Amino acid sequence: DVHLTESGGGSVHPGGSLRLSCGASGFTFGNYWMHWVRQAPGKGLVWISRLNTDGSKTFYADSVKGRFTISRDNANRKLFLQMNSLTVEDTGLYFCAREDYNSLDALDAWGQGTMVAVSA
Amino acid sequence: EIVLTQSPGTLSLSPGESATLSCRATQSLSSSYFSWYQQKPGQAPRLLIYGASTRAADIPDRFSGSGSGTEFTLTIGSVHPEDFAVYYCHHQYGPTLSFGAGTRVEIK
Repeated sequence: DVHLTESGGGSVHPGGSLRLSCGASGFTFGNYWMHWVRQAPGKGLVWISRLNTDGSKTFYADSVKGRFTISRDNANRKLFLQMNSLTVEDTGLYFCAREDYNSLDALDAWGQGTMVAVSA
Repeated sequence: EIVLTQSPGTLSLSPGESATLSCRATQSLSSSYFSWYQQKPGQAPRLLIYGASTRAADIPDRFSGSGSGTEFTLTIGSVHPEDFAVYYCHHQYGPTLSFGAGTRVEIK
């Protein structure tokens, strides 16, 4: 079975930093593009970032560009999101998701999310 | 920036009724990269439809997707109790992605 497990969330003050991790199992991690998606409490899904298979191509939503960095360690089957200069608007549940080339690049597998709370 | 607008915001239905959910884009989209997701409370989203009309693995055939250009539709043929959830449309445009704000399907 495909599994994605996020970790690293927590409470932080505005201006602080956090590093999220996403562990993958049940598939050849290095063959898939990966994403981070955020969901603020009671709100909808917001795409945050995308990364290609070898980590050489990164894409970001305008709201996080310059503050967040996506990366991966294929040997250890992990995806990361380094979040700096956090603001209260970054609060939410952060999901990692797999982009499936067999499903026309739809996001076919999701973790359960890790919560980030930014407050003074 | 492509904006996806879903309607209605909330759909109140009784089990057995059919549901029609709409997603409108601010510019014409490639159907290939258009998909629908279901999210139940406390759960991660689940892929329902990709390529605008292809059901993902293990998705019941009461779910169907259609549309092209700027108008896309998700239809639930006969709503089951487990279908009450929030549904999101989604499109990948070049390197970035957009989600609609969601349609909540609730029990009437």
